[in-house]
Amino acid sequence: GDSVTQMEGPVTLSEEAFLTINCTYTATGYPSLFWYVQYPGEGLQLLLKATKADDKGSNKGFEATYRKETTSFHLEKGSVQVSDSAVYFCALSYHPRGSARQLTFGSGTQLTVLP
Amino acid sequence: DSGVTQTPKHLITATGQRVTLRCSPRSGDLSVYWYQQSLDQGLQFLIQYYNGEERAKGNILERFSAQQFPDLHSELNLSSLELGDSALYFCASSPSTSTDTQYFGPGTRLTVL
Repeated sequence: GDSVTQMEGPVTLSEEAFLTINCTYTATGYPSLFWYVQYPGEGLQLLLKATKADDKGSNKGFEATYRKETTSFHLEKGSVQVSDSAVYFCALSYHPRGSARQLTFGSGTQLTVLP
Repeated sequence: DSGVTQTPKHLITATGQRVTLRCSPRSGDLSVYWYQQSLDQGLQFLIQYYNGEERAKGNILERFSAQQFPDLHSELNLSSLELGDSALYFCASSPSTSTDTQYFGPGTRLTVL
């Protein structure tokens, strides 16, 4: 079945450091890919998405590019802030014609940014 | 604020009991999804409803059931509760079955003692 693999956490960075969180997927077709963020005590918020190969999703300084050849969707940010501390989830949605669009999530990566 | 509301925020109950979690989707959204987030299983899809009808089932136990009402709110019923059912339960909504993006509520934290 479909699956998502994220790099193990936790990740601890200093403010203004470069961030990469790796995500690879397995799917039988061409899924849509997502990054969701969960701040402490809150629900999941959509951070960015990409729906086809070579698409780049971006939001709040975060970027991720849909790479079909490597089945990856790595999350990057050039300069992290303390306020970016959260858990980041990579997810996919694959929906053959007529099927539902439930999300399959990775295990999540805890990011802590120190001042 | 995603526009999805869930009640209650916290629920503490005992083993063997039954609880109901409630979700109101964003205005205009017809599709509701339920997910469970636990330490050992991570985030897992449970069930989806679209405009009152069950659309897809994931890793939902037979002790769990859900429904979506004519006003589009949804309820997740958990019965014969076990310690392992302690988790965060999220509801998400989307406008239709042809939309990829789902909007999540704040979750209900269930603690089974």
